[in-house]
Amino acid sequence: DIQMTQSPSSLSASIGDRVTITCRASQSISNYLNWYQQKPGKAPKLLIYTASTLQSGVPSRFSGSGSGTDFTLTISNVQPEDYATYFCQQSYSTPGITFGPGTNVDIK
Amino acid sequence: QVQLVESGGGLVKPGESLRLSCAASGFTFSDYSMTWIRQVPGVGLEWVSDISFSGTTTYYADSVKGRFTISRDNAKNSLYLQMNSLRVDDTATYFCAREYATLLEYWGQGALVTVSS
Repeated sequence: DIQMTQSPSSLSASIGDRVTITCRASQSISNYLNWYQQKPGKAPKLLIYTASTLQSGVPSRFSGSGSGTDFTLTISNVQPEDYATYFCQQSYSTPGITFGPGTNVDIK
Repeated sequence: QVQLVESGGGLVKPGESLRLSCAASGFTFSDYSMTWIRQVPGVGLEWVSDISFSGTTTYYADSVKGRFTISRDNAKNSLYLQMNSLRVDDTATYFCAREYATLLEYWGQGALVTVSS
């Protein structure tokens, strides 16, 4: 199985801050990396796919980059509705997709 | 709009069975592969099982292989997960999700399964 790690596990940010979350795969996954946002009691929501493509309807303050084993999710100008947990997920090895452990973004 | 609604969760004892259902609407169900994902708080998200659009091909995580069975009824726009020989570590919220090119585009709200004596 491809193992996914994320850092940090949690962070605090103020409105308007720029936030960067890192995801690392245990082996190269090309650009088969997706990002999800999850709010408490809700299902995850697809934000970004193939490392850098924004899902329809997702605000442009979200961006993704990376390839191979190292990826980043950036939220520029954090808004109140962005406080949530963010997960990366590899779709290189299927069946058997795997997720990172998540990064919780809360209010500073 | 796309909607996925899980049902059938609950509290069971170790060794017992449970069947989850996922009712789909707002899209042509028979055109899409479907997936079950589970989430344990503090542990994260775990892929459980996949089924092809026709239902002829299925895949399972090693942790559930031989105990869980995924199926679908395209005439009823429904996805199922039959869970047998449940264990305490199967306790989780189970989500069904619509899959497109390995992307999980839409998810249900989840069904809580608790396995406890």
